[in-house]
Amino acid sequence: RKEVEQDPGPFNVPEGATVAFNCTYSNSASQSFFWYRQDCRKEPKLLMSVYSSGNEDGRFTAQLNRASQYISLLIRDSKLSDSATYLCVVNFLTGGGNKLTFGTGTQLKVEL
Amino acid sequence: ETGVTQSPTHLIKTRGQQVTLRCSSQSGHNTVSWYQQALGQGPQFIFQYYREEENGRGNFPPRFSGLQFPNYSSELNVNALELDDSALYLCASRGPNEKLFFGSGTQLSVL
Repeated sequence: RKEVEQDPGPFNVPEGATVAFNCTYSNSASQSFFWYRQDCRKEPKLLMSVYSSGNEDGRFTAQLNRASQYISLLIRDSKLSDSATYLCVVNFLTGGGNKLTFGTGTQLKVEL
Repeated sequence: ETGVTQSPTHLIKTRGQQVTLRCSSQSGHNTVSWYQQALGQGPQFIFQYYREEENGRGNFPPRFSGLQFPNYSSELNVNALELDDSALYLCASRGPNEKLFFGSGTQLSVL
């Protein structure tokens, strides 16, 4: 089983739609969680951290369920500019220090 | 924009050669990590350095090695290149709250 699993997509949605991405992780000792956005042929950029109580940043809402080892990202009123790959990232402490593990990413295409 | 720069941006090597990739991190960010991203995949953790010592390593063979210097620069060295080493190599410095700031990467092609 992969340490971090995501549905690769692609998710093709019309502009204005609401779309949700899910991510599961296998290590129950995971400590912190993030969503990154990556545009084609570019470096990943932090979209938002994910907190246990859930958090919102404009049109983006992130949720964490530690019991189910599950993270989600909800995008409301999607824009053409939201088209990108969304990477789920999990950080956990190993004997050798912190280790950040990326999922394979979920591709989103927002269409007119 | 992120304060992390990588060089070169693109590189072509042949199988069996050695390569050194370079990264300059944000001042004050003591932790740097390197990732390999193959086409269609997420970044895979290679290793991490904190204050010039390796303190975490992913599932990569010993021919992948690194160095971190006191001036916040670092290197990734790969010996005996294989075709499967062709990928985007990303360097990231770690800021507060474990957030990563990535460079724009080096695209390595092994022929």
